[in-house]
Amino acid sequence: GAVVSQHPSRVICKSGTSVKIECRSLDFQATTMFWYRQFPKQSLMLMATSNEGSKATYEQGVEKDKFLINHASLTLSTLTVTSAHPEDSSFYICSARAPSGYPVHYTGELFFGEGSRLTVL
Amino acid sequence: AQSVAQPEDQVNVAEGNPLTVKCTYSVSGNPYLFWYVQYPNRGLQFLLKYITGDNLVKGSYGFEAEFNKSQTSFHLKKPSALVSDSALYFCAVRDINSGNTPLVFGKGTRLSVIA
Repeated sequence: GAVVSQHPSRVICKSGTSVKIECRSLDFQATTMFWYRQFPKQSLMLMATSNEGSKATYEQGVEKDKFLINHASLTLSTLTVTSAHPEDSSFYICSARAPSGYPVHYTGELFFGEGSRLTVL
Repeated sequence: AQSVAQPEDQVNVAEGNPLTVKCTYSVSGNPYLFWYVQYPNRGLQFLLKYITGDNLVKGSYGFEAEFNKSQTSFHLKKPSALVSDSALYFCAVRDINSGNTPLVFGKGTRLSVIA
């Protein structure tokens, strides 16, 4: 079964509205989650590292006021796209790193959510 | 700095033939290497990883990858391709000693297996 759950899988919104995407770690407590954005021609871009109980670390060029990340618990991180515009339309994917102590053969790998396709009209 | 190169955007192979998807990497220390597969409109699924030990790593769905330190490569292979293997494949790397840093992904290679 899924280890990381992402919701919603698809969302369509009007320009200027805000959209929240949730990422839940179902099988372990994730102190760190990562948010990626995938562009139409394949590339996977790391947007930010979400740390439980502290501010997210954003990659260069990613607007932190535009893409709000909250990691309020060990099993939930949220990405809010504020005042969305058509150019924000994309596939957003979250991931969680399995902690030490998780079954050995999984340690260190990332578990990915199923992704959320955002379309801004 | 860490980086990954997947030199091919697209690989086409006939069903039943062997397939190779190439990956080279660059890290300052020892690498932690991964392959992930993505089906359309889905998240990434873990295929296999290399940390230490045997250079030939076996993973899910009959895939394997060979770690070659001198060539800094970690090519993904499968002896006999299936049409269902058609997907987007990502190679990723992290320096083992880099703490909690994120994985760095290659740009992806689209594999198309033709019946």
